[in-house]
Amino acid sequence: EAEVAQSPRYKITEKSQAVAFWCDPISGHATLYWYRQILGQGPELLVQFQDESVVDDSQLPKDRFSAERLKGVDSTLKIQPAELGDSAMYLCASSFEGGTSTDTQYFGPGTRLTVL
Amino acid sequence: DAKTTQPTSMDCAEGRAANLPCNHSTISGNEYVYWYRQIHSQGPQYIIHGLKNNETNEMASLIITEDRKSSTLILPHATLRDTAVYYCIVRPWGAGNTPLVFGKGTRLSVIA
Repeated sequence: EAEVAQSPRYKITEKSQAVAFWCDPISGHATLYWYRQILGQGPELLVQFQDESVVDDSQLPKDRFSAERLKGVDSTLKIQPAELGDSAMYLCASSFEGGTSTDTQYFGPGTRLTVL
Repeated sequence: DAKTTQPTSMDCAEGRAANLPCNHSTISGNEYVYWYRQIHSQGPQYIIHGLKNNETNEMASLIITEDRKSSTLILPHATLRDTAVYYCIVRPWGAGNTPLVFGKGTRLSVIA
């Protein structure tokens, strides 16, 4: 069964350092999402891509976060500089296509970030 | 904000049916009910979704009331591996892919 891949699974960094997370969606999935999940809460959307284009980045803290999906396949989420409050699980999800349908989202295992 | 209300936690004996309720009294006609679960330190896992008819798959059954204001996810024979946080989410259909809006979910503990 195809899965969403994420790496690394765990990342520990010091504040003010740069970190990057990678996501490889299920093959053929045009829509890719990055969510952030703080301990004890549900995931919240950071950014949504349709192919290589950003559809929604209204919740992305653009002063320190950036996301790209250059070839419309895999994606990278970067934080620079990291702050203590960025400690969270970063989840990537993908779904087949947009248009007029609403497709099921499949999630990767996540990257657990700890900022010291 | 999430448009659903779920109990914070529930317990279920192993082997028994787990019935997880969800209230979505403001659901619109074009919104589906989705259920996901999240086992500790893993990504959310899709379980099932439905519009107005009851649905069943290999994991669970979804019962939606006739007025669509509430639903129940049923795990027919709960095992220890079903211990997880269960999220009920309403999501519109027909407007392209939209992000999921998660609430805090129900923490289900299956007890031996």
